[in-house]
Amino acid sequence: QKEVEQNSGPLSVPEGAIASLNCTYSDRGSQSFFWYRQYSGKSPELIMSIYSNGDKEDGRFTAQLNKASQYVSLLIRDSQPSDSATYLCAVTGAGSYQLTFGKGTKLSVIP
Amino acid sequence: DAGVIQSPRHEVTEMGQEVTLRCKPISGHDYLFWYRQTMMRGLELLIYFNNNVPIDDSGMPEDRFSAKMPNASFSTLKIQPSEPRDSAVYFCASGGGGYEQYFGPGTRLTVT
Repeated sequence: QKEVEQNSGPLSVPEGAIASLNCTYSDRGSQSFFWYRQYSGKSPELIMSIYSNGDKEDGRFTAQLNKASQYVSLLIRDSQPSDSATYLCAVTGAGSYQLTFGKGTKLSVIP
Repeated sequence: DAGVIQSPRHEVTEMGQEVTLRCKPISGHDYLFWYRQTMMRGLELLIYFNNNVPIDDSGMPEDRFSAKMPNASFSTLKIQPSEPRDSAVYFCASGGGGYEQYFGPGTRLTVT
């Protein structure tokens, strides 16, 4: 059974701070890793994808992948109240298009 | 370019009735996924298609659920008969051959 684990939160950070979201996965053969943002009552929105070890930056977002530790993280710099949402970590298995999602971490950015 | 389109956006039905959810993927995408999201279980994959062919339906909860993709621009998810425990938000997502998936707005289903 492939599992993706996230701390459910809520994670509260002050506006302008760095928010750090973490995710671990059980399938060592996992190859593709994604972060989705989901506002309340809305659909998941893809914000980051990462496929190899290391860091990937896109604007205020940085995804970090460590396959040896089976660990993925998302850093949000200069957090804004509009970043308040649930962040879902998703992982595919080897050669698979099937995404396994974590249950999400709820982030609250306090003005 | 239009994103994934789902209809209806909200559906309220009585137990035992047939429910049909519809999805139009992003043009040119050859993968289509159906998910269900509940507070208890999170986001779960029900079934996915590649080039209109069902590839993995192991997430379909029981025989009351069925899905079809008659052509590249249309898919349906049918529940017959519906039960209160089917109440959830159902999402359709599409992908273009990379592993990234793009979600539609979802259908909120309530079975009373």
